[in-house]
Amino acid sequence: EDQVTQSPEALRLQEGESSSLNCSYTVSGLRGLFWYRQDPGKGPEFLFTLYSAGEEKEKERLKATLTKKESFLHITAPKPEDSATYLCAVQDIGNEKLTFGTGTRLTIIP
Amino acid sequence: DSGVTQTPKHLITATGQRVTLRCSPRSGDLSVYWYQQSLDQGLQFLIQYYNGEERAKGNILERFSAQQFPDLHSELNLSSLELGDSALYFCASSVAGGLYEQYFGPGTRLTVT
Repeated sequence: EDQVTQSPEALRLQEGESSSLNCSYTVSGLRGLFWYRQDPGKGPEFLFTLYSAGEEKEKERLKATLTKKESFLHITAPKPEDSATYLCAVQDIGNEKLTFGTGTRLTIIP
Repeated sequence: DSGVTQTPKHLITATGQRVTLRCSPRSGDLSVYWYQQSLDQGLQFLIQYYNGEERAKGNILERFSAQQFPDLHSELNLSSLELGDSALYFCASSVAGGLYEQYFGPGTRLTVT
């Protein structure tokens, strides 16, 4: 069964303080790894898809990387508007559903 | 705005009742997915439809059912509601199945009293 574990559960950073969020996964065959951002009471917002180990994608202050066992979401010089829960999900070759981790709740303090 | 719409936004009902949640996918998307998000379980996949046909099932209870109509909108029916069914229900859509990103709607918050 596919499993996704995210750490830490919660992270508080000062504005401008860079850090990384971790997503460890277990799948029989990885079709894709997805990162989403979710604000309270809203639907998840798509950020990135990573397909193979070694791949990297960037968007503004966010960069996602992928290895064979985990993915990192690096946040550089974050701003208060980056505060949200960041969700990682995997899609197995055998099916089309997304299996989500429980997320990292990120708070950026001005 | 993802382009996926869901109605209603909020729903409050009593135990034992039946409700219907509605989802309209992004224009051009053929696949619709339903997810349940509760505080203790995170986002859980319920069911997927592709161009009107059921494509995949997750841990969906027998009391729950869904369908996708010819205009591609989808409905999730929840019956014999229990307190534990209180959650956020999200619909997502993608161009097709497989390796395409899923875009989520704003969700329906269901409260069962």
